[in-house]
Amino acid sequence: QQQVKQSPQSLIVQKGGISIINCAYENTAFDYFPWYQQFPGKGPALLIAIRPDVSEKKEGRFTISFNKSAKQFSLHIMDSQPGDSATYFCAASLNTDKLIFGTGTRLQVFP
Amino acid sequence: DSGVTQTPKHLITATGQRVTLRCSPRSGDLSVYWYQQSLDQGLQFLIQYYNGEERAKGNILERFSAQQFPDLHSELNLSSLELGDSALYFCASSAVGGTYNEQFFGPGTRLTVL
Repeated sequence: QQQVKQSPQSLIVQKGGISIINCAYENTAFDYFPWYQQFPGKGPALLIAIRPDVSEKKEGRFTISFNKSAKQFSLHIMDSQPGDSATYFCAASLNTDKLIFGTGTRLQVFP
Repeated sequence: DSGVTQTPKHLITATGQRVTLRCSPRSGDLSVYWYQQSLDQGLQFLIQYYNGEERAKGNILERFSAQQFPDLHSELNLSSLELGDSALYFCASSAVGGTYNEQFFGPGTRLTVL
């Protein structure tokens, strides 16, 4: 019930395309859903986050879509760029508790 | 730069040894979290401290311990090291009481146990 399932494991997208990463959770008490971006040799960096009372949040080229009834949320990267090539992690938490991370998606954007 | 600092960046040691990893949270953040990242287990929560007190424990081995000092920096102590302890160790900090549980991660310490 504490798991967060993430797919796909890897994703290859052409420059200018849309990258879509999906996550699903079980615990309906979770109240915070962030996405992190991690480059090799670096720590995860907070990219964008959403709370379950909102169905969509957009920041620049990054959008989170949230479906509370389906217990799913996804990250959309519009106009994907080679600089977006990284590993992306979804996560979920309750209040100020630990983050429970998905297994990560390795995104490669080719020019 | 997240504002969270971790030292050392790399650590190479032998089985059976003990090491200490250090973390300084962002200025003003009272809460510190420790996570372990390995290829087979992904990012796993180890332990959380809030203003000097242990707040939550995850899958932290008994050989591991942590503490948070009055100046809010935290240390993660790993003892009787085994080959399987080789991993990246991250700390994160957050300003508890905010609207979101925003956790900001440090650059990590890469531990290699030989």
